[in-house]
Amino acid sequence: EPEVTQTPSHQVTQMGQEVILRCVPISNHLYFYWYRQILGQKVEFLVSFYNNEISEKSEIFDDQFSVERPDGSNFTLKIRSTKLEDSAMYFCASFSGSSYNSPLHFGNGTRLTVT
Amino acid sequence: GEDVEQSLFLSVREGDSSVINCTYTDSSSTYLYWYKQEPGAGLQLLTYIFSNMDMKQDQRLTVLLNKKDKHLSLRIADTQTGDSAIYFCAVPEGSYKLIFGSGTRLLVRP
Repeated sequence: EPEVTQTPSHQVTQMGQEVILRCVPISNHLYFYWYRQILGQKVEFLVSFYNNEISEKSEIFDDQFSVERPDGSNFTLKIRSTKLEDSAMYFCASFSGSSYNSPLHFGNGTRLTVT
Repeated sequence: GEDVEQSLFLSVREGDSSVINCTYTDSSSTYLYWYKQEPGAGLQLLTYIFSNMDMKQDQRLTVLLNKKDKHLSLRIADTQTGDSAIYFCAVPEGSYKLIFGSGTRLLVRP
């Protein structure tokens, strides 16, 4: 069964550094998402992306965050200047868009640790 | 916006049934989902139910939906130690995004 893959599985960075989290969505999917889960807390929506542009973003997704689909397969989340509170598990998800009954498929996540 | 609430913790004995509850606010959601998260792992889709159904059964899993009360439950029959995980209820909103509950941590005691 096709999967959403995320790399790396764990990223450690120093405060103030830029990080790029990478995702390869399922190949025929049209909608792409990033979610965040701070340790022990709920899974929070960050941003959705469709037709090469952001379709919706949450208030968490401020100017420090950006997303890009640089080619036909990758979907990236960039954090320009990381803060300690950015430490979390980041999940990428994709959705086919072909019918409303198709669920979101999630990757296994990238654990980001900001020191 | 959508608000999804779950109880935080449930402890059951191995072999018993587990019932995890969820309430939501947006009645226009057509599908409602249950995801499972094991320690340090990603989100695994367990099952989902269409809003015109009251019940859906899938092997040991039974989903009950009370649309009038906006209440969703997940029943796990013959709960095993491998079922210990966090279970998230998720409801669609807007551009096909999902709103998650806070998750229910299920602990299965031997």
